[in-house]
Amino acid sequence: DTEVTQTPKHLVMGMTNKKSLKCEQHMGHRAMYWYKQKAKKPPELMFVYSYEKLSINESVPSRFSPECPNSSLLNLHLHALQPEDSALYLCASSPRTRWPETQYFGPGTRLLVL
Amino acid sequence: KQEVTQIPAALSVPEGENLVLNCSFTDSAIYNLQWFRQDPGKGLTSLLLIQSSQREQTSGRLNASLDKSSGRSTLYIAASQPGDSATYLCAVSEDSSYKLIFGSGTRLLVRP
Repeated sequence: DTEVTQTPKHLVMGMTNKKSLKCEQHMGHRAMYWYKQKAKKPPELMFVYSYEKLSINESVPSRFSPECPNSSLLNLHLHALQPEDSALYLCASSPRTRWPETQYFGPGTRLLVL
Repeated sequence: KQEVTQIPAALSVPEGENLVLNCSFTDSAIYNLQWFRQDPGKGLTSLLLIQSSQREQTSGRLNASLDKSSGRSTLYIAASQPGDSATYLCAVSEDSSYKLIFGSGTRLLVRP
């Protein structure tokens, strides 16, 4: 299995809702990432988990809450989002056991906040 | 602060042409550089990764070069096909945190 899966593919939520994005990989990778991508812009890193521990938080607002329950699973909990948070949310993973690294991306969750 | 720039922003070519996409970065102290492909509304697919000590990498019709001292990389696509139409992104990694800094991409259209 050489892919990163993300669910749901699409999500529409109101500003008072609580929802979660899910990312899964079964490649034995020990680093997992969340990126945010606005239309016609490059991906921007949000969080990095290394060996199930949060290693990078790119000053992301607290309405985004990441969670890494185990080495295969990464969640992004969403609460009280703003319309400007509408974007494609990409998950990625990398081995972190050898150099050089390449990151493997999932297909993304397209989020619309109303 | 590292900045990554890609030129051109968009490119339209007829099928069969060889083409070059450009990527430049402001700080030459990079660990590696990667080229990705992104189809509309989809995730990214890694195409090539060049370590800082390497000059080029090849995969099929793709060839990527790296000139760290001048802060430049090029992606050469030979004999382009309509299926190559996508956005091509380059990204640099500066340190062992594996954080990627992306350029804004080149949108490529290969016309049949």
